[in-house]
Amino acid sequence: AQSVTQPDIHITVSEGASLELRCNYSYGATPYLFWYVQSPGQGLQLLLKYFSGDTLVQGIKGFEAEFKRSQSSFNLRKPSVHWSDAAEYFCAVGATGTASKLTFGTGTRLQVTL
Amino acid sequence: DAGITQSPRHKVTETGTPVTLRCHQTENHRYMYWYRQDPGHGLRLIHYSYGVKDTDKGEVSDGYSVSRSKTEDFLLTLESATSSQTSVYFCAINPTGTGNTIYFGEGSWLTVV
Repeated sequence: AQSVTQPDIHITVSEGASLELRCNYSYGATPYLFWYVQSPGQGLQLLLKYFSGDTLVQGIKGFEAEFKRSQSSFNLRKPSVHWSDAAEYFCAVGATGTASKLTFGTGTRLQVTL
Repeated sequence: DAGITQSPRHKVTETGTPVTLRCHQTENHRYMYWYRQDPGHGLRLIHYSYGVKDTDKGEVSDGYSVSRSKTEDFLLTLESATSSQTSVYFCAINPTGTGNTIYFGEGSWLTVV
């Protein structure tokens, strides 16, 4: 069975600083990987996804993520954080042929200080 | 906007009462899902559907049932609500041609007292 670990429960960064949110997955083959963002009281919005090909994927709102098979990681990055990026971020993994049943990490809450 | 409407958005109910949450979509998507979100657990799959009257269990299906009699509606029922089912419930869809990508509704906040 697949699993996802987001080791950081809460991260605080200053506005304008760079950001990296960690995600490690467990799956026996090449996974489908996703990052979602959730603002308080809202649903989850897809930031980006990796299926195959280029291991560096670009998403919305200036985010990018890099798939590293050797490290079983899919870390999310942003070069300069804006106050509006404060939210909770979820990494998810899916397997082929599983009717899109995603497994989610427990989330990382991002706080941005001005 | 994933084109999903969840109802009710907020509900408070008493222990032991039945509760039904509705997910409605207008794009004839085949796959629909119900997840619950709890602090420290992220999102966990309750049930999913791959067509009318075709449903299957997810990771945390105990205490829940689902029905899909029409393509556009996917109902989640708590037959006898318990306090442990206090949660935020999200419906999701997998549009055709997007691979394994799922898109979420706005959520239904359920409190069982």
